[in-house]
Amino acid sequence: GAVVSQHPSWVICKSGTSVKIECRSLDFQATTMFWYRQFPKQSLMLMATSNEGSKATYEQGVEKDKFLINHASLTLSTLTVTSAHPEDSSFYICSAGTSGGTPYEQYFGPGTRLTVT
Amino acid sequence: GQNIDQPTEMTATEGAIVQINCTYQTSGFNGLFWYQQHAGEAPTFLSYNVLDGLEEKGRFSSFLSRSKGYSYLLLKELQMKDSASYLCAVLDSNYQLIWGAGTKLIIKP
Repeated sequence: GAVVSQHPSWVICKSGTSVKIECRSLDFQATTMFWYRQFPKQSLMLMATSNEGSKATYEQGVEKDKFLINHASLTLSTLTVTSAHPEDSSFYICSAGTSGGTPYEQYFGPGTRLTVT
Repeated sequence: GQNIDQPTEMTATEGAIVQINCTYQTSGFNGLFWYQQHAGEAPTFLSYNVLDGLEEKGRFSSFLSRSKGYSYLLLKELQMKDSASYLCAVLDSNYQLIWGAGTKLIIKP
């Protein structure tokens, strides 16, 4: 149980274009989803927390107009990187929180590797 | 500020035991997690401690001392597949996960 999927698993795009990443909880309802970014050899950096039906809460330093997050249902959240630049190249990981099981445990998706050329 | 410290890298031998330490200073405490992350993959949950003491789960054990702001992950009978990064994360008073930078564990035959 508690499976989270992400799509696509990797994407290459040109500078200036937008990329949408989907995060789905497959077998549970996730009222809260988290979006992380991870640069090589660094730890996870929380970008934003999204609750179903409300606006995402962004961490300090994360541009909300650049990283658009939508959490329209209890099983789907999307992250859109708008006007991507090479410095946005990173490993993007979503996770979903569930009220069952270990308190506040997050189940991670497999990640999306974004390369902006 | 909030801070979580763990060694950057450790090396151990296949079949041996290794202990990865984590110290934390956070605004409040609602539990500590250990995650395993293989290169290029997302983290996977290993353990959760909220009370002092040792939690054992197969070859992996996790220990917590809240008064010392200290935890460790103990891996026994090391296997090559245990080569990965191990992330320590603390749930603070706002129920936000604060992540350590991770410890890269290298297993040698």
